[in-house]
Amino acid sequence: DTGVSQDPRHKITKRGQNVTFRCDPISEHNRLYWYRQTLGQGPEFLTYFQNEAQLEKSRLLSDRFSAERPKGSFSTLEIQRTEQGDSAMYLCASSFTRTGTGSSYEQYFGPGTRLTVT
Amino acid sequence: QKEVEQNSGPLSVPEGAIASLNCTYSDRGSQSFFWYRQYSGKSPELIMSIYSNGDKEDGRFTAQLNKASQYVSLLIRDSQPSDSATYLCAVNGGGFKTIFGAGTRLFVKA
Repeated sequence: DTGVSQDPRHKITKRGQNVTFRCDPISEHNRLYWYRQTLGQGPEFLTYFQNEAQLEKSRLLSDRFSAERPKGSFSTLEIQRTEQGDSAMYLCASSFTRTGTGSSYEQYFGPGTRLTVT
Repeated sequence: QKEVEQNSGPLSVPEGAIASLNCTYSDRGSQSFFWYRQYSGKSPELIMSIYSNGDKEDGRFTAQLNKASQYVSLLIRDSQPSDSATYLCAVNGGGFKTIFGAGTRLFVKA
């Protein structure tokens, strides 16, 4: 399977605990995105990496959220001191830069990590 | 005003009919447009992309783009029960950020 993978697929945690999610993008893809999706809504942008550089972080993301992409390969998203409002599906997507074409923005999603904060 | 708007549905069509899904967007500078299909409990799957005005066909799917009207649509011909899903419209303005609509739920009745 050469698609985007995410781990874990499900995470149940108690309020106040820290959680970390991992995303492995499609191997040749240099762009990586994190989204959050709640029921009845579309994916909401969280952050974006081009290679190892984090180029943008949503203003909606509090300081409790941090993401890394060491060496431009896999990425991790950490949520510190989780709150019940953090319960959502966390999606990772990747894409490949093709100069001068809109297809650079064709994003392929992983299966997601469903977080439940009790 | 939401940046990407879709009718939430549900849109119900009989098997074999044409399903028409619509999307409007607010950023006139948008350049790339996508349709994703999302089954319940699953992640979005890219099914169509369109970059220039007009129609683009791929199998039973046709995407239509009208930049002057800031409108993009998806037609599904010969709808099947397996097409029942939420369809997300996504718009990119040329930068890193793609904006997704909330999706339209489609139900195809057998």
